[in-house]
Amino acid sequence: DQQVKQNSPSLSVQEGRISILNCDYTNSMFDYFLWYKKYPAEGPTFLISISSIKDKNEDGRFTVFLNKSAKHLSLHIVPSQPGDSAVYFCAASAGGSEKLVFGKGTKLTVNP
Amino acid sequence: GAGVSQSPSNKVTEKGKDVELRCDPISGHTALYWYRQSLGQGLEFLIYFQGNSAPDKSGLPSDRFSAERTGGSVSTLTIQRTQQEDSAVYLCASSRLRQGWGSTDTQYFGPGTRLTVL
Repeated sequence: DQQVKQNSPSLSVQEGRISILNCDYTNSMFDYFLWYKKYPAEGPTFLISISSIKDKNEDGRFTVFLNKSAKHLSLHIVPSQPGDSAVYFCAASAGGSEKLVFGKGTKLTVNP
Repeated sequence: GAGVSQSPSNKVTEKGKDVELRCDPISGHTALYWYRQSLGQGLEFLIYFQGNSAPDKSGLPSDRFSAERTGGSVSTLTIQRTQQEDSAVYLCASSRLRQGWGSTDTQYFGPGTRLTVL
């Protein structure tokens, strides 16, 4: 049973527009959420995180929104750039655990 | 500074053979993790080492999988009697000491080892 779901395997947007990547989770014990970005033949790199005590965290062009009642989080990238093209993984952990539970990823393509 | 390194980058083996995958974490990182990513799947947690504590092996899929971490640094993931379903990218990550409840130290990933079992 998948505890972290990314229902869109791919997303294509135009350069300069907003990219919105979605993630749903089922485990109500999750209290920390992260987004990782992965380029081909490289390991995932940390992008941004959010604790369950917040509903928004912003870092430059990247903003993560958390809706605990809906068990949903989203990553907004604005403006999108061609270099943002990568696979984005949503991950979650519970109670300070070091174990991360990952979604299957969404492949973002930003077209020039 | 140097990131997490893994070797080999690619490994092709025959069903039934044993394989060893190596991970060199970032210097000074006390926590080390192994994950695997099968085709079309997300990253699946395998095992976690933290300092001198007993490792968390709860993600290992079978007793054919084992890992050790020598001297608190380099780690080796061993898969015995490999099966075709073991084919995946095996990723290692490391992080600093836990900062406290509600936060997880950033895990820095290596490039992975792509294992193909024929």
